[in-house]
Amino acid sequence: QSALTQPASVSGSPGQSITISCTGTSSDVGNSNLVSWYQFYPGKAPKLIIYGDNKRPPGVSNRFSGSKSGNTASLTISGLQAEDEAEYYCCSFALSRMLVFGGGTKLTVL
Amino acid sequence: EVLLVQSGAEVKKPGESLKISCEGSGYTFSHYWIGWVRLMPGKGLEWMGILYPGDSDARYSPSFQGQVTISADKSINTAYLHWRSLKASDTAIYYCAIAGDLTRFDYWGQGTPVTVSS
Repeated sequence: QSALTQPASVSGSPGQSITISCTGTSSDVGNSNLVSWYQFYPGKAPKLIIYGDNKRPPGVSNRFSGSKSGNTASLTISGLQAEDEAEYYCCSFALSRMLVFGGGTKLTVL
Repeated sequence: EVLLVQSGAEVKKPGESLKISCEGSGYTFSHYWIGWVRLMPGKGLEWMGILYPGDSDARYSPSFQGQVTISADKSINTAYLHWRSLKASDTAIYYCAIAGDLTRFDYWGQGTPVTVSS
């Protein structure tokens, strides 16, 4: 069982928006602005797409956005594209001074 | 361009030792933390530990302390993850990743699948 809770799967049609939730506790997600999100494709190097709750690294599409309320962080992907079909993991720096991750969410673009 | 290139897939027997590697390029190797993350089927990601090559400061998750060793050779920009005695439960994909600070991983390797089976 992962430290952070994510839905196992979400789906959406091209052009739509989807949101993936990530629920933790006051010891991790709710503690500070240190949630990050990663995009995984099979066999490829994962990619950082959101850090500091809502910041995008250079080169990441502005269709990806992050937010947080209390102990729940969210990743929203707007204008869904076929290439967005991947697995997404949330992550938080915890009071234990370790990173804790979610169980991953498989995004299917219909 | 920052690249982390990991060693290839491994198939081992229980009780055997294993060291997998992660070679970094495109950045100053000594100035970034390098960590290891485990992905087990259906179980999500787990932070195993992290090392600062500049001074060899290593930190481990309690779940992995004593089970693995993280090391690095600055002369060849390569980090390692070492098991002395593998178990079947070590079967997973292992990723290396670098971090400017401890709060996130900025770049990742492509993963090394490890299968431990008799």
